[in-house]
Amino acid sequence: QKEVEQNSGPLSVPEGAIASLNCTYSDRGSQSFFWYRQYSGKSPELIMSIYSNGDKEDGRFTAQLNKASQYVSLLIRDSQPSDSATYLCAVSWTGTASKLTFGTGTRLQVTL
Amino acid sequence: KAGVTQTPRYLIKTRGQQVTLSCSPISGHRSVSWYQQTPGQGLQFLFEYFSETQRNKGNFPGRFSGRQFSNSRSEMNVSTLELGDSALYLCASRMDQAHEQFFGPGTRLTVL
Repeated sequence: QKEVEQNSGPLSVPEGAIASLNCTYSDRGSQSFFWYRQYSGKSPELIMSIYSNGDKEDGRFTAQLNKASQYVSLLIRDSQPSDSATYLCAVSWTGTASKLTFGTGTRLQVTL
Repeated sequence: KAGVTQTPRYLIKTRGQQVTLSCSPISGHRSVSWYQQTPGQGLQFLFEYFSETQRNKGNFPGRFSGRQFSNSRSEMNVSTLELGDSALYLCASRMDQAHEQFFGPGTRLTVL
């Protein structure tokens, strides 16, 4: 099993809908979790971080963490065409905070 | 506050040559990590420098090396370039004791 797994997509949602992106990870003790957005030809941009079980909301974005099931998700409400990008899930484990392990990313397409 | 900067943005080299890439972190950030991004392997951790010392290292051959200066600026060097080294090289900085990493724009290296 890969350490961090994501469905590569593309995930297509209509404008105004909720986009749900999922990520599973290997359990190796305490972890920190991050969601990055990467537009084609650009570098990753941090949009959310989450460290404990439950939900964390920031504007239209909500990150959800369930450590018992080893998954972390990102919900994007009121999806806009400008949200079309690849979303990367990243995990760092205790003792190696600087080493992010990334999933392969999910490509999101928001259609008009 | 200015973001992470990387120079050069684009490089073309031939096999066997060596290359040096530069990264200036966000002011106040002392940790600099380097990543390689390719279509086949995704985003992979190369190494991290903190206070001029390499603190973590990924699974890359010894041809990949780096260093950090007293002002936290970092360089990475790739010797004896191979075609497979063609990639987007990203650096990311973070504050000590924080978990969030912020990426620079990257250097696109093409090896011919």
